[in-house]
Amino acid sequence: DPKIIQKPKYLVAVTGSEKILICEQYLGHNAMYWYRQSAKKPLEFMFSYSYQKLMDNQTASSRFQPQSSKKNHLDLQITALKPDDSATYFCASSPDWDEQYFGPGTRLTVL
Amino acid sequence: GDSVTQTEGQVALSEEDFLTIHCNYSASGYPTLFWYVQYPGEGPQLLFRASRDKEKGSSRGFEATYDKGTTSFHLRKASVQESDSAVYYCALTRLASSSFSKLVFGQGTSLSVVP
Repeated sequence: DPKIIQKPKYLVAVTGSEKILICEQYLGHNAMYWYRQSAKKPLEFMFSYSYQKLMDNQTASSRFQPQSSKKNHLDLQITALKPDDSATYFCASSPDWDEQYFGPGTRLTVL
Repeated sequence: GDSVTQTEGQVALSEEDFLTIHCNYSASGYPTLFWYVQYPGEGPQLLFRASRDKEKGSSRGFEATYDKGTTSFHLRKASVQESDSAVYYCALTRLASSSFSKLVFGQGTSLSVVP
């Protein structure tokens, strides 16, 4: 069974719309993360959460908002979508501060 | 800021060839270094890590040695197989002021192995 679930696997959105990317982990980890992978850049850190608290935010835009309703959930809300937001978004989790495990990703296309 | 540089963007080999993917890093102190592998349609998977100078990490026939003197963590495998075809990422993390630190990835190296 998959230990980190990301939904949906593929997502198509129109410019200016809002979407929520879902992430659930069943590894019992206390820390969760979001990363982005686009054609132009390598895997890029976005956020880290520990015990549902934001620990680090490396995104320049407030259009990206993580949401943690439960300890093992970390969703990503993206508002006012732009074509440049097109990328694959990976959720990750870790039991401690260095060894992170990644989900299968959500591939977002903004038209 | 911290950074990771992988020299090779793409590597094409035949089965049983020797593999080297070069990774150099820039970070203060003693970062923890990783190699991740990513197959099409999947997220990165941890191959192995190393946390101290001269420490060797290894898994599935792949290995790399942490070298603080040359700030390197080169990936090697003596005999590659077609199933090793994937994208390989070198990464580092450094304990920041918060308890949980970000991974900084290199650009990735796409390995293609033909029978």
